[in-house]
Amino acid sequence: AQSVTQLGSHVSVSEGALVLLRCNYSSSVPPYLFWYVQYPNQGLQLLLKYTSAATLVKGINGFEAEFKKSETSFHLTKPSAHMSDAAEYFCAVSLVYGNKLVFGAGTILRVKS
Amino acid sequence: NAGVTQTPKFRVLKTGQSMTLLCAQDMNHEYMYWYRQDPGMGLRLIHYSVGEGTTAKGEVPDGYNVSRLKKQNFLLGLESAAPSQTSVYFCASSSRNGRDTEAFFGQGTRLTVV
Repeated sequence: AQSVTQLGSHVSVSEGALVLLRCNYSSSVPPYLFWYVQYPNQGLQLLLKYTSAATLVKGINGFEAEFKKSETSFHLTKPSAHMSDAAEYFCAVSLVYGNKLVFGAGTILRVKS
Repeated sequence: NAGVTQTPKFRVLKTGQSMTLLCAQDMNHEYMYWYRQDPGMGLRLIHYSVGEGTTAKGEVPDGYNVSRLKKQNFLLGLESAAPSQTSVYFCASSSRNGRDTEAFFGQGTRLTVV
């Protein structure tokens, strides 16, 4: 079975500090991995995705993620946090069959001024 | 483009009442999905559809029914609401079959069952 685990339900950083949100996956086949962001009272929107091409994936709003097979990880980073980054972030894996996503529990990012 | 639109945005139901949530997409997508979001549990798939006239069960289908009579609409029904169905419900759609396909989400429906 394919699954993802997000470490840390809440992360707090200061404005301008590094953002690191952790995601580990479990998959018996090469995974396709996604990061989605949910701003308050809104739906989810895609930040970036890994589909077996480059291991370092760049997304919107300055976010990037690195696929590390040896660590079964796909952590999300941003060099300098902005107040507007405060949101909930979800890691997800695409199942082999059926065009379906399995989501992690989510990480709420708080940015302090 | 409106993208994915969910109706209503908020609803309070009494236990045992029924209701239908409507999802409409204007992107001509084949695939549509209903998820529920609960604190600490992420999003869980309730039902999905791979095309007009088709539906299939997801991870947590009990207590829900769906219909996809038109390609652009995907309805989620609760026949007899229970407090355990208090949640935020998201509809999503995607364009094609493929593990790399992005899903587009609506803004959600916050449902409270009392």
